[in-house]
Amino acid sequence: QSALTQPASMSGSPGQSITLPCTGSSSDVGTYNLVAWYQQHPGEVPKLIIYEVNKRPSGVSSRFSGSKSGSTASLTISGLQAEDEADYYCSSYAGSGTPCVFGGGTKLTVL
Amino acid sequence: EVQLVDSGGGLVQPGGSLRVSCAASGFGFSQYAMTWVRQAPGKGLEWVAGISDGGGGTKYADSVKGRFTISRDNSQNTLHLQMNSLRAEDTAVYYCAKGWIGYPSGWCHFDSWGQGILVTVSS
Repeated sequence: QSALTQPASMSGSPGQSITLPCTGSSSDVGTYNLVAWYQQHPGEVPKLIIYEVNKRPSGVSSRFSGSKSGSTASLTISGLQAEDEADYYCSSYAGSGTPCVFGGGTKLTVL
Repeated sequence: EVQLVDSGGGLVQPGGSLRVSCAASGFGFSQYAMTWVRQAPGKGLEWVAGISDGGGGTKYADSVKGRFTISRDNSQNTLHLQMNSLRAEDTAVYYCAKGWIGYPSGWCHFDSWGQGILVTVSS
């Protein structure tokens, strides 16, 4: 099972909106509405911020939103803040064989 | 409050074995699928192995199939990963992760993570 594809790095300015893409295939993102996004600050454990493509767990800021089109999922962060600087990973359910695949992660820098 | 405490890591020689464990508390452990995810130094997340709520179903990444075994003891609220025939490329921080409620979300959405335990495979 191949990993999902994410850009290695992206950057944005405070207050801006930014969209992080996550490209999969018909075996994962394209078939299942089971995409999740995680935020990981340096030295910390990953934190679930989006599940089932566009749902937010309790306590996660509404500035984070998710969407999907075909085999590409996206995470949009609106009103960028310095605290949003982190690594972001997408994952997708991939069926009953190897059920879960992660993307390589995007390092987001807030300039 | 959900707590997952990982333990058992350390330094092991190539070809050796190691078992890492995860002690769970604060939730109905037997009702949730559980997973091990690893992160090599400076690298991204990699799904390693998952186990169903009752323990009857297990899945593995191709990279560890035949070498690693995931298991759970629902009476003790513990999760284990037995790692055999270890290779240098298995060096990583290993996290246990609690699956989201329900199937198949529980196999790939993780709402709580252990603190991670470092496994180093080196001679």
